[in-house]
Amino acid sequence: GAGVSQTPSNKVTEKGKYVELRCDPISGHTALYWYRQSLGQGPEFLIYFQGTGAADDSGLPNDRFFAVRPEGSVSTLKIQRTERGDSAVYLCASSLSASAGELFFGEGSRLTVL
Amino acid sequence: TQLLEQSPQFLSIQEGENLTVYCNSSSVFSSLQWYRQEPGEGPVLLVTVVTGGEVKKLKRLTFQFGDARKDSSLHITAAQPGDTGLYLCAGGSNYKLTFGKGTLLTVNP
Repeated sequence: GAGVSQTPSNKVTEKGKYVELRCDPISGHTALYWYRQSLGQGPEFLIYFQGTGAADDSGLPNDRFFAVRPEGSVSTLKIQRTERGDSAVYLCASSLSASAGELFFGEGSRLTVL
Repeated sequence: TQLLEQSPQFLSIQEGENLTVYCNSSSVFSSLQWYRQEPGEGPVLLVTVVTGGEVKKLKRLTFQFGDARKDSSLHITAAQPGDTGLYLCAGGSNYKLTFGKGTLLTVNP
């Protein structure tokens, strides 16, 4: 597709379960970003990749959160032992590079932890 | 930590009215961006302002960056129902943006 694709669009899980959220960036974009948007808030930076490596993961809230981008394209955000406070929309974005270029956001994955 | 405060938080107006929303910070930003987000969608970039005092126009939308690069405003002329959405300002480096909480604008026909 032409834009950033995120799956699933909605995920409902129980507290304590493991969750994976997938992001497929725009073809040719080397930079990929994860943001989290809680209800009534603006997006909050989690992590960004330049190529395959996590260049800055300072926004990850704790060690239950982890993200990978093994081949420099698709990325997966992994959340272990989910908590109710993890409920939010997880947004993925990509850009041509991290130093320049417009960020294009996907529609997000809405995570609800019961 | 650089914080961005947006006001008002909510704004409901009638079609054809003008409005201004604000984005303020105590920190200096090298640039500020404005996004619009519709329900169930990701934010979409409207404009980036870089120079203090800069004014940019996008059809009926006028964006201004404060002289001290600590604040910005978005003015919409003759608002239309299609302008309805969450308007977010964001600043920081390109790879690590800090967003405000946004102004939720509703334009009633």
